[in-house]
Amino acid sequence: GESVGLHLPTLSVQEGDNSIINCAYSNSASDYFIWYKQESGKGPQFIIDIRSNMDKRQGQRVTVLLNKTVKHLSLQIAATQPGDSAVYFCAETISGGYQKVTFGIGTKLQVIP
Amino acid sequence: ETGVTQTPRHLVMGMTNKKSLKCEQHLGHNAMYWYKQSAKKPLELMFVYSLEERVENNSVPSRFSPECPNSSHLFLHLHTLQPEDSALYLCASSPSLASSNTEAFFGQGTRLTVV
Repeated sequence: GESVGLHLPTLSVQEGDNSIINCAYSNSASDYFIWYKQESGKGPQFIIDIRSNMDKRQGQRVTVLLNKTVKHLSLQIAATQPGDSAVYFCAETISGGYQKVTFGIGTKLQVIP
Repeated sequence: ETGVTQTPRHLVMGMTNKKSLKCEQHLGHNAMYWYKQSAKKPLELMFVYSLEERVENNSVPSRFSPECPNSSHLFLHLHTLQPEDSALYLCASSPSLASSNTEAFFGQGTRLTVV
């Protein structure tokens, strides 16, 4: 079936470095992608989204890149901070009306002080 | 604080017990959802409610029984659960069903352990 997956289950980065979390999706019909952050003991929190008519979108310290050719999505976090430690997972869906969202498993980001 | 509150935060129950999870949203949303989050597995959508009507039941076993008395409250009644049902149960809400994939807000979840 259609699925969303992540390449790395755990990522450790030094505080101040940039982090890159990757995600592969398989449904070529998906046109809307979301990154969530889930801190320990909390529910998922929306970070940033991107539509398929864009290749890149920037937020505050975060950038999402979309490569539709290879069905790849990445989340870049600049100057990673201890507060960025969490599980990050991507999600794919089709925009417009009620559509199911397919979630990835998640990558745990550990920031080393 | 996302505006979606779940209680209890933690629950340990025996396989013969009956318990209920509660979710309350203060956002004025019309759609509410139950998700199951197990270790090393993607989020699984369980139930969807829109304006208090159930619109989706993703082949969830009957030992899970949802209830939506009004658009602000959602319950998940549990009975005769199995150890493999141990997971984090997340509630979410969105302004409408149509915005479920773009504007969903999650609660902090109930960590359920079945012994």
